[in-house]
Amino acid sequence: AQSVSQHNHHVILSEAASLELGCNYSYGGTVNLFWYVQYPGQHLQLLLKYFSGDPLVKGIKGFEAEFIKSKFSFNLRKPSVQWSDTAEYFCAVSLLMDTGRRALTFGSGTRLQVQP
Amino acid sequence: NAGVTQTPKFQVLKTGQSMTLQCAQDMNHNSMYWYRQDPGMGLRLIYYSASEGTTDKGEVPNGYNVSRLNKREFSLRLESAAPSQTSVYFCASSEALLRDSYEQYFGPGTRLTVT
Repeated sequence: AQSVSQHNHHVILSEAASLELGCNYSYGGTVNLFWYVQYPGQHLQLLLKYFSGDPLVKGIKGFEAEFIKSKFSFNLRKPSVQWSDTAEYFCAVSLLMDTGRRALTFGSGTRLQVQP
Repeated sequence: NAGVTQTPKFQVLKTGQSMTLQCAQDMNHNSMYWYRQDPGMGLRLIYYSASEGTTDKGEVPNGYNVSRLNKREFSLRLESAAPSQTSVYFCASSEALLRDSYEQYFGPGTRLTVT
């Protein structure tokens, strides 16, 4: 079965540190890739998405992600985190199913805690 | 634009009780979804509705039913609540299932506790 893996469950960083959150998926077909963020007490918001073209995608708030097809990865990065980046981050993959419909599969999430 | 709204925000049920979670979107989206979020498990799809008048099972449909009342509204019903259904429930919508712009917009969630 197709799956999405986020290996970092809880990450603690100091402000200004660099961030990289891993995301791997297991599916050989065409995928669309997303990173969502959930700030404390809020609903999920889209950070960035990849459909095609340049594999380096820039999103909101200084985040970027790189799609590496050969590694089935879509890692999220930020050069310098801020305390306000404290949140839970979810990688999601949109897969084309046999039914012809797409389904969105989420990873288990990474809780990022940024210490001032 | 309110986006995706959900009611109630919090609910406590006793085992065996029933309830309906309501979801509405004002973005004229065709597709709507119900997810549950549990610690360490991310979001799991319960049911979805590709378009008005259609519903399909997702990854974890057991114990739930849904109704796509019209294009705006998609409700989730627990007929006989069980403690295993304690979770945070999110409704989401997207323009369509098959188009490239497959971005989902999420509601604020309903925190349900079943005792």
